[in-house]
Amino acid sequence: DSGVTQTPKHLITATGQRVTLRCSPRSGDLSVYWYQQSLDQGLQFLIQYYNGEERAKGNILERFSAQQFPDLHSELNLSSLELGDSALYFCASSVASNNEQFFGPGTRLTVL
Amino acid sequence: DAKTTQPTSMDCAEGRAANLPCNHSTISGNEYVYWYRQIHSQGPQYIIHGLKNNETNEMASLIITEDRKSSTLILPHATLRDTAVYYCIVRVEEYGIKLVFGAGTILRVKS
Repeated sequence: DSGVTQTPKHLITATGQRVTLRCSPRSGDLSVYWYQQSLDQGLQFLIQYYNGEERAKGNILERFSAQQFPDLHSELNLSSLELGDSALYFCASSVASNNEQFFGPGTRLTVL
Repeated sequence: DAKTTQPTSMDCAEGRAANLPCNHSTISGNEYVYWYRQIHSQGPQYIIHGLKNNETNEMASLIITEDRKSSTLILPHATLRDTAVYYCIVRVEEYGIKLVFGAGTILRVKS
């Protein structure tokens, strides 16, 4: 158990819909990262937040957005969903002193 | 980030040492070598990292060549639960830098 929690574990929805994925980092970790893992693209970095502020952006679509709240939990919002958005979405957190990122168990999103 | 090259897959007998190679010939002087693994769609798990000296922890050992152009992750006594995809990543030791995952090596530990 990494100490990072993600909800829900599974999510099934239809094209065009909007969903919100939630992540709670390890206690004391200020930084949260979101990654997407699909069969054809592998693990890809989406976005990072540090103490409530966006720090870095990766291959994140404009239909996707994220935020980190004062209690440091983070949410990833996916809208106008397409079939190709079906993937595993992982959240990770880290402390300031090194790059060891702790990953949550992921949310499996299925868009039908 | 420097590019890494890993074999697509490897097999290892249970109880034997698993040696996973990684080539990173374009690594820069300030880039570290990190290893993560992912067991069957679970979240990736940090294993070990190093700069130029060999490193060992409770999970594995990391051997980095003197010219730093390649490294080997060693699982000393592989078990069936070590079957996973192993990712070698090189990047600077700077807080908040994203991880760039390649295809990794599928390690199959067989009884």
